[in-house]
Amino acid sequence: IAGITQAPTSQILAAGRRMTLRCTQDMRHNAMYWYRQDLGLGLRLIHYSNTAGTTGKGEVPDGYSVSRANTDDFPLTLASAVPSQTSVYFCASSPIAGAQETQYFGPGTRLLVL
Amino acid sequence: GQNIDQPTEMTATEGAIVQINCTYQTSGFNGLFWYQQHAGEAPTFLSYNVLDGLEEKGRFSSFLSRSKGYSYLLLKELQMKDSASYLCAVQDSNYQLIWGAGTKLIIKP
Repeated sequence: IAGITQAPTSQILAAGRRMTLRCTQDMRHNAMYWYRQDLGLGLRLIHYSNTAGTTGKGEVPDGYSVSRANTDDFPLTLASAVPSQTSVYFCASSPIAGAQETQYFGPGTRLLVL
Repeated sequence: GQNIDQPTEMTATEGAIVQINCTYQTSGFNGLFWYQQHAGEAPTFLSYNVLDGLEEKGRFSSFLSRSKGYSYLLLKELQMKDSASYLCAVQDSNYQLIWGAGTKLIIKP
């Protein structure tokens, strides 16, 4: 593989269920990000990781958690899904977390919470 | 607060030129990015500006004025495949990207 992969592609989830969105990159990028994209709004940062073993909160972290056990993987967990978490979720990565660093995006996961 | 503004939708004709504007107010500035996003797909990088002036890359150019908090993306010789959303994003003092809602560009034959 080359780039970033996300799984699943799409999911319908009952409210209250736990769900983990997977993200894997093979570019050896240090920094990784999770965004959600909703109609009429810009991409909003949920959580980020500047390097393996560290994570940070973005603009909209409530209801989500992340881990970064190694360089390649950055899973996003919804502990107890709610309908307002219906969105398209994008994982992204950049070589480092710094100025001028371009972010590269995965194909996205479309999540519907009922 | 932090704010990125860009028009919601624009329409242009195949072969023509279109300019998509972006104004911003952010806490710190480490550069401005433009991304293209086709419907149902991921955003892909188009251009980056950190200094004032025009950056040209083939049919696409991007301009920045830091004193005015203003940028534009100029698309020349429009093709049908240019129909997409164009996202403006500013890198703030924490190196995080603050994103505009995107401009949907519709190209008509």
